[in-house]
Amino acid sequence: QQQVKQSPQSLIVQKGGISIINCAYENTAFDYFPWYQQFPGKGPALLIAIRPDVSEKKEGRFTISFNKSAKQFSLHIMDSQPGDSATYFCAASEGSWGKLQFGAGTQVVVTP
Amino acid sequence: GAVVSQHPSRVICKSGTSVKIECRSLDFQATTMFWYRQFPKQSLMLMATSNEGSKATYEQGVEKDKFLINHASLTLSTLTVTSAHPEDSSFYICSARSGTGELFFGEGSRLTVL
Repeated sequence: QQQVKQSPQSLIVQKGGISIINCAYENTAFDYFPWYQQFPGKGPALLIAIRPDVSEKKEGRFTISFNKSAKQFSLHIMDSQPGDSATYFCAASEGSWGKLQFGAGTQVVVTP
Repeated sequence: GAVVSQHPSRVICKSGTSVKIECRSLDFQATTMFWYRQFPKQSLMLMATSNEGSKATYEQGVEKDKFLINHASLTLSTLTVTSAHPEDSSFYICSARSGTGELFFGEGSRLTVL
């Protein structure tokens, strides 16, 4: 079964808007939470990652929020651009050396 | 950043033939590589973990005699789909772990079995 639950399955956002993708997990041993961006026909690329010792991490327009007690984390894409249209996967592992467990993915479409 | 190269990017083969996909880490040594399978509009499913110089560790439900993995050097792992059938058609992706623990993904290989 999916160890990391991701929602929504897809979302459409206007250019300049905020895209929000949520993930939840059960395994409290997970302590590394990366987000990947995948374009059609390409492999995933690491966007940003967080560890449980911080509640938020920001890199450019991408922000991860982490709620350890709720076992949830989310990706916010600020000022969404058409070039951000892609599928986003959250993932989790026990340490950055552990096997990654991927969420189901969210297809984001940013309209002009 | 580090680059992981997969070859071929696309392959079409006849049912019953075997296909080999290569995964190379171009500018770092990878003691561990992973192979994933991805169906359209679905997530990545880990097939196996490949460690240099030792046998691959397969995930539950993955046939090791069907999907042969060889990690002969610190920069190369290969996945061979033996006696391929149409249901093996999929997008196969490898990833390689650098010495610092960071994971880099290849561009993927689309296999179509006729």
